Amino acid sequence: NAGVTQTPKFRVLKTGQSMTLLCAQDMNHEYMYWYRQDPGMGLRLIHYSVGEGTTAKGEVPDGYNVSRLKKQNFLLGLESAAPSQTSVYFCATPGLPYGYTFGSGTRLTVV
Amino acid sequence: QQPVQSPQAVILREGEDAVINCSSSKALYSVHWYRQKHGEAPVFLMILLKGGEQKGHEKISASFNEKKQQSSLYLTASQLSYSGTYFCGTQGYGGATNKLIFGTGTLLAVQP
Repeated sequence: NAGVTQTPKFRVLKTGQSMTLLCAQDMNHEYMYWYRQDPGMGLRLIHYSVGEGTTAKGEVPDGYNVSRLKKQNFLLGLESAAPSQTSVYFCATPGLPYGYTFGSGTRLTVV
Repeated sequence: QQPVQSPQAVILREGEDAVINCSSSKALYSVHWYRQKHGEAPVFLMILLKGGEQKGHEKISASFNEKKQQSSLYLTASQLSYSGTYFCGTQGYGGATNKLIFGTGTLLAVQP
């Protein structure tokens, strides 16, 4: 089934720990996006990619790094997690024929 | 800068109508609308393009005023299934990135 898969679905980190969130899409699209969602603030763009080997900063990129080594995968990394990064993270790619298709999300808690 | 949505929340009875507004400070090429149920991912409802073209897959209508950089989503004869948080996503001009900047959302609760 065509779609966007995110792993893991839940994670609890201690302050200062690192982790990588994986987004995989089988829709063969060039563009992929990482958003974070916090109560009352909607979805905010962290980083995005317009093709394999490319990445660019979004609205709230500080504290995150990304990589797009393969067209189907977009990785979001936290090098030193902070409580302010507690959030729900969504990956998305343009769907067919219109709009974005989102992954199911990763709920991250930093304690 | 994020587009501004209004109202922040609305409570309806089944069968009533609602309008959700989205306003941007930047020139817009397109506006998307999404609905998110609690604990789930946002789901695409509709796209409105420059020039007035609308494309969607649900019986929900919307308008896009390019000059005012505003869009409105019209929910008529609301059903319980319409409950959720609605987000507009705006796409500006410049660069072929298709990236969307989302509003802060409007919580819609439909009661029996």
